[in-house]
Amino acid sequence: RKEVEQDPGPFNVPEGATVAFNCTYSNSASQSFFWYRQDCRKEPKLLMSVYSSGNEDGRFTAQLNRASQYISLLIRDSKLSDSATYLCVVNKGGGSEKLVFGKGTKLTVNP
Amino acid sequence: EAQVTQNPRYLITVTGKKLTVTCSQNMNHEYMSWYRQDPGLGLRQIYYSMNVEVTDKGDVPEGYKVSRKEKRNFPLILESPSPNQTSLYFCASSFEGVWDEQFFGPGTRLTVL
Repeated sequence: RKEVEQDPGPFNVPEGATVAFNCTYSNSASQSFFWYRQDCRKEPKLLMSVYSSGNEDGRFTAQLNRASQYISLLIRDSKLSDSATYLCVVNKGGGSEKLVFGKGTKLTVNP
Repeated sequence: EAQVTQNPRYLITVTGKKLTVTCSQNMNHEYMSWYRQDPGLGLRQIYYSMNVEVTDKGDVPEGYKVSRKEKRNFPLILESPSPNQTSLYFCASSFEGVWDEQFFGPGTRLTVL
């Protein structure tokens, strides 16, 4: 099983749609979880940290399911500007200071 | 302005010619790291540094060296570049390592002929 796995997409949705991304991780000792956004070949930027209780930031909601070892990102009322690649990021766990990035899920929001 | 800078942004070089990509941050961050990004493989960590004089290997360290003599700088050194090191490289920094937001530089696109 890969350390961090994401559905590569692409996801093509109309404006206003709700879209959900999932990401699975293999190490049960992982403790920190993030979603980053990357626009075409630009640097990744933090979208949200993911907390055990789940967290919401405007139209974005992140959830963590430790039992099943996956995190999710829900985007409501999609905007054209949400078009980007979304990266799931997890620390390796077990005291490691390494981060593992998923390969990303590409989202295109169409007018 | 708080930022991570990388230089050069673009570089075309030839096999075996030593090169250094510089990375500097002005946020007093303890943790710095280097990644390469390749199509279909995503971002992979090359090296990271917890603090000055403390560095450790990431997942793909072969063919690379780093140093952390000062807190703000974390150069990536390719002693003898090869074509398989053609990639997009990102430097990143954070205050609290893997527990914290990573701030990325703008990237360096390297081509090794």
